[in-house]
Amino acid sequence: NAGVTQTPKFQVLKTGQSMTLQCAQDMNHEYMSWYRQDPGMGLRLIHYSVGAGITDQGEVPNGYNVSRSTTEDFPLRLLSAAPSQTSVYFCASSYSKGTAGNIQYFGAGTRLSVL
Amino acid sequence: SQQGEEDPQALSIQEGENATMNCSYKTSINNLQWYRQNSGRGLVHLILIRSNEREKHSGRLRVTLDTSKKSSSLLITASRAADTASYFCATAQTGANNLFFGTGTRLTVIP
Repeated sequence: NAGVTQTPKFQVLKTGQSMTLQCAQDMNHEYMSWYRQDPGMGLRLIHYSVGAGITDQGEVPNGYNVSRSTTEDFPLRLLSAAPSQTSVYFCASSYSKGTAGNIQYFGAGTRLSVL
Repeated sequence: SQQGEEDPQALSIQEGENATMNCSYKTSINNLQWYRQNSGRGLVHLILIRSNEREKHSGRLRVTLDTSKKSSSLLITASRAADTASYFCATAQTGANNLFFGTGTRLTVIP
């Protein structure tokens, strides 16, 4: 199994550009989420989804959109990139129920710089 | 913010010594988890402790949870250079899948 796959690994954008960060998982997990990681601040939840067709906001949703048309894919869209969105972005997935609880499996991350 | 905090922010020890890192959180929880992150990589789950548990072991890892103090500790015994990484605690509230992560402890194990 590939687990959670994120693309691209690195990206440089200019202010105002838009882009989509891709995330795919092959574990049939219902729950998927996006985090950003900034120095000294740990991980902060951007958006999450508890199943196909259902999304909701996390702690820091402004400037980002998500959709969940399939169980496998959960893309994150930056509508108009700003320097404050320079960060490392992680996608994660988990089962939503059962003894596995909400143990999350992470992708390798996307390092984004906005100039 | 529902983020927790780890203490210390950074820890440097000799190989073979034990490493202890602490986590404090703010809200009632269903479970608390510890994750490890090697430099430039994604996070990897280490251990989960439920709110009705006080202590849990996994190999060289020992986790304690004190819900009255809203705190947890992670002990790594007989540390190895390969344990060098950042360690994060994460909490989950009852009925929710979302995890709220602490700020992390950067552990350096010197060979």
